[in-house]
Amino acid sequence: QSVLTQPPSASGTPGQRVTISCSGSSSNIGSNTVNWYQQLPGTAPKLLIYSNNLRPSGVPDRFSGSKSGASASLAISGLQSEDEADYYCAAWDDSLNGVVFGGGTKLTVL
Amino acid sequence: QVQLQESGPGLVKPSQTLSLTCTVSGASIRSGDYYWTWIRQPPEKGLESIGYIDYSGSTYYTPSLNSRVTISVDTSKNQFSLRLSSVTAADTAVYYCATWGSREAFDFWGQGTMVTVSS
Repeated sequence: QSVLTQPPSASGTPGQRVTISCSGSSSNIGSNTVNWYQQLPGTAPKLLIYSNNLRPSGVPDRFSGSKSGASASLAISGLQSEDEADYYCAAWDDSLNGVVFGGGTKLTVL
Repeated sequence: QVQLQESGPGLVKPSQTLSLTCTVSGASIRSGDYYWTWIRQPPEKGLESIGYIDYSGSTYYTPSLNSRVTISVDTSKNQFSLRLSSVTAADTAVYYCATWGSREAFDFWGQGTMVTVSS
C-alpha cells in the first residue's frame, strides 16, 4: 500500500483536459514539494513536474501541477495519444526521512 | 546531461544476495551535486525508493529494507552499487538507479534492469 494515494486509472479523449489527484499527509505533501513522473510503456520514469508546478526543459506546457495543503494535482490539457502512460506523484516524507510515491495512475486516451 | 546504466545478474536464487552496479557518465560522483539513489518496481506495480548515498558515503535506506540493504560508492570508477541480501520472490523487480539533485527530484534515471528471484 502506497503512502500517497492516487486513483488507479483516468481517461480522456484527444483534446480534453484531465486531472490526476495525489493525496498525502502533513509529513509529506503537507510540508514538502511534490514531483510528478511520467512512465511510458516499457520505459523508465521521467521527471515531468518538480517543486509542485515547475517543468523541466522539454516538457510541454500542456502539463501543469498544483498543490493545496496535503494534496496535489497534475493537469494535462489538450490530451494527445502519446500522453497515454502511467503517472506517479512523489514527495519527501519527514517521518520516514525518505521519498514516498503514489501507487500510480494509468492514463488511457480513448 | 547525466547518464546512468545499471548492470548485474538478471537471475538470483532465493536467500542469496542481489548485487547491482550503476555506472555514471556526465557527472562525477565526487562532485556533491547529487544523491545517488536506487528505486525498484515490481512487475505491474508502482515505484519504491530503496535508498541513497552521497559523495561522502553517507547513506539512507527505506525502513522496510534497512536490515538487508547496502549502498556503496566507488569514486575511482564513478560507480555506485546496491546489495540486497536474503532475497525472496517479493524482491523480483525492475531496479533503477537515479539521481536526486538540486530540484529535489529524481532528475535522471537509468533504463532499469530486471532482476528475477527464482530457483
